[in-house]
Amino acid sequence: QSALTQPRSVSGSPGQSVTISCTGTSSDVGGYNYVSWYQQHPGKAPKLMIYDVSKRPSGVPDRFSGSKSGNTASLTISGLQAEDEADYYCCSYAGSYVFGTGTKVTVL
Amino acid sequence: QVQLQESGPGLVKPSQTLSLTCTVSGGSISSGSYYWSWIRQPAGKGLEWIGRIYTSGSTNYNPSLKSRVTISVDTSKNQFSLKLSSVTAADTAVYYCARLVVVNEAQQPTRWFDPWGQGTLVTVSS
Repeated sequence: QSALTQPRSVSGSPGQSVTISCTGTSSDVGGYNYVSWYQQHPGKAPKLMIYDVSKRPSGVPDRFSGSKSGNTASLTISGLQAEDEADYYCCSYAGSYVFGTGTKVTVL
Repeated sequence: QVQLQESGPGLVKPSQTLSLTCTVSGGSISSGSYYWSWIRQPAGKGLEWIGRIYTSGSTNYNPSLKSRVTISVDTSKNQFSLKLSSVTAADTAVYYCARLVVVNEAQQPTRWFDPWGQGTLVTVSS
């Protein structure tokens, strides 16, 4: 079971939008609508940002959104803010659970 | 509000067994449609799911670790535990426990990890 593929890094200026892709297979991302996204600041535990592809837990700003097309899921951060600078991981159900390789978001 | 806290030795010798416990507070480990999971993260690397347990004792493990992993639950103590045998330096990581939600408030199937413990660093070294 291989890790889902994410870009190593993405960056944007404050106020801009960035999109992180998460590519898997028909056995994981493409096969289930159980993709979740986690934000992790240095030295901290991951925090749930998106679940079931596009649902936002209460307390997560609406500038975070998720989507999926085929075997690729995406997380978009609109109106980028300084506090959004962190690592982001996708996760998909696949019978078991597989995480993405992680993406570092840099706010320029 | 449910909180999770990992505990256990921070240093384990090669070939020995790593043992960690996760204590759940703010709610019963037996309530709701929750599973309880372990996830690890080597320094500077990504997250790896280790396995999960239901309070009935039913388990499911990452196939790559299955031969070395045992997860158990003690409902009387509101705790669940991880044992990883025959450890090597490659098992050095921050280990997190997390609640796995599989049914949402509308009684529909779902899958997400929340909340997470703060994590505990386990180093495998002689």
